[in-house]
Amino acid sequence: ETGVTQTPRHLVMGMTNKKSLKCEQHLGHNAMYWYKQSAKKPLELMFVYSLEERVENNSVPSRFSPECPNSSHLFLHLHTLQPEDSALYLCASSQGMAGGWQPQHFGDGTRLSIL
Amino acid sequence: GQQVMQIPQYQHVQEGEDFTTYCNSSTTLSNIQWYKQRPGGHPVFLIQLVKSGEVKKQKRLTFQFGEAKKNSSLHITATQTTDVGTYFCAGTTSGTYKYIFGTGTRLKVLA
Repeated sequence: ETGVTQTPRHLVMGMTNKKSLKCEQHLGHNAMYWYKQSAKKPLELMFVYSLEERVENNSVPSRFSPECPNSSHLFLHLHTLQPEDSALYLCASSQGMAGGWQPQHFGDGTRLSIL
Repeated sequence: GQQVMQIPQYQHVQEGEDFTTYCNSSTTLSNIQWYKQRPGGHPVFLIQLVKSGEVKKQKRLTFQFGEAKKNSSLHITATQTTDVGTYFCAGTTSGTYKYIFGTGTRLKVLA
């Protein structure tokens, strides 16, 4: 139990589908992150939210749309994805302000496959 | 853009041998964190280094931050099968919200 829960654990979708990934943290943290982990590549930071405000958008295509309704929940809305978007999507949270030298606590991830 | 490279990419060791992974940044870092990801798992925080030349130990693991704060290393003494996984460094620079993760070193320990 990491304190960061991601659903679903696995998702298979066609390129024209719309789906959402959900992340919930039970640690009382103020910062939340979305990362993409592809095979043979380092973790790529996608979005950062600090106190529910997006503070970083790391040049992510618009087919990925994040939403942070409160400090405990983070969503990643997916639309018209490409095969190269197949990857493990990891959510993380940290105490204090984003990037504030605090450890990041990761969820188990959603394994996404695009047909 | 900022890059963080790790070497080696893979390392196979016999149980009981030592292991070291090196992390090199193209820019000076404010601090560096180390994470371990077991096969099929998620990254788990190990330690954070902040000061130039800092050395920290956790049982068989020794972490070091370079004097110029552009490189770091993780050394494991007498590896065990439980050490299997991928080790990532992650660095941040002042004034940014993001950590740049290294390419990772995958460690396999042969019993």
